[in-house]
Amino acid sequence: AQSVSQHNHHVILSEAASLELGCNYSYGGTVNLFWYVQYPGQHLQLLLKYFSGDPLVKGIKGFEAEFIKSKFSFNLRKPSVQWSDTAEYFCAVNSNTGFQKLVFGTGTRLLVSP
Amino acid sequence: NAGVTQTPKFRVLKTGQSMTLLCAQDMNHEYMYWYRQDPGMGLRLIHYSVGEGTTAKGEVPDGYNVSRLKKQNFLLGLESAAPSQTSVYFCASSSDRGRRTEAFFGQGTRLTVV
Repeated sequence: AQSVSQHNHHVILSEAASLELGCNYSYGGTVNLFWYVQYPGQHLQLLLKYFSGDPLVKGIKGFEAEFIKSKFSFNLRKPSVQWSDTAEYFCAVNSNTGFQKLVFGTGTRLLVSP
Repeated sequence: NAGVTQTPKFRVLKTGQSMTLLCAQDMNHEYMYWYRQDPGMGLRLIHYSVGEGTTAKGEVPDGYNVSRLKKQNFLLGLESAAPSQTSVYFCASSSDRGRRTEAFFGQGTRLTVV
């Protein structure tokens, strides 16, 4: 069965600091990878997604993620965070074969202090 | 341009009461999902549907029932609510066999069972 691990449960950064959130998945086949963000009191929104091609994916609001197949990882990065990036971030994966459910990690709460 | 709409947004139930959560999407998506979000556990799939008239169990289906009588609607029922069902419930929908497209989420329903 697929699984997704996000090892950082809580991250606290100051504005302008760089961000990297880890995501590792467990699945032997071809996968699709997603990062979602949930701002306080809001629903999940897609930050970025990877299906194939260039392993470095750029998303909205200056976020990017790199797919490293050999490490089963899809880490999220941002060079300089802002207070408005305070949110919970979820990594998710599904299989590229047949209909497969989206499996989420447990999430990382990011707090950016001004 | 509503996307995915959930009703109600908040609800408090007494143990043993029943209720139905309604999810409606206006994007003509085939696939719809119900997730629950609990602290430290991320999003867990309760039930999902691959089309009108079909439903299937997810990771945590016990205590819930669903129906998809119309393509645009996906109902989640709690027949006899328990405190363990206190959670935030999110509905989502997607197209293209649920793989290479993002899932769109509703605003969530915060349910408290006392």
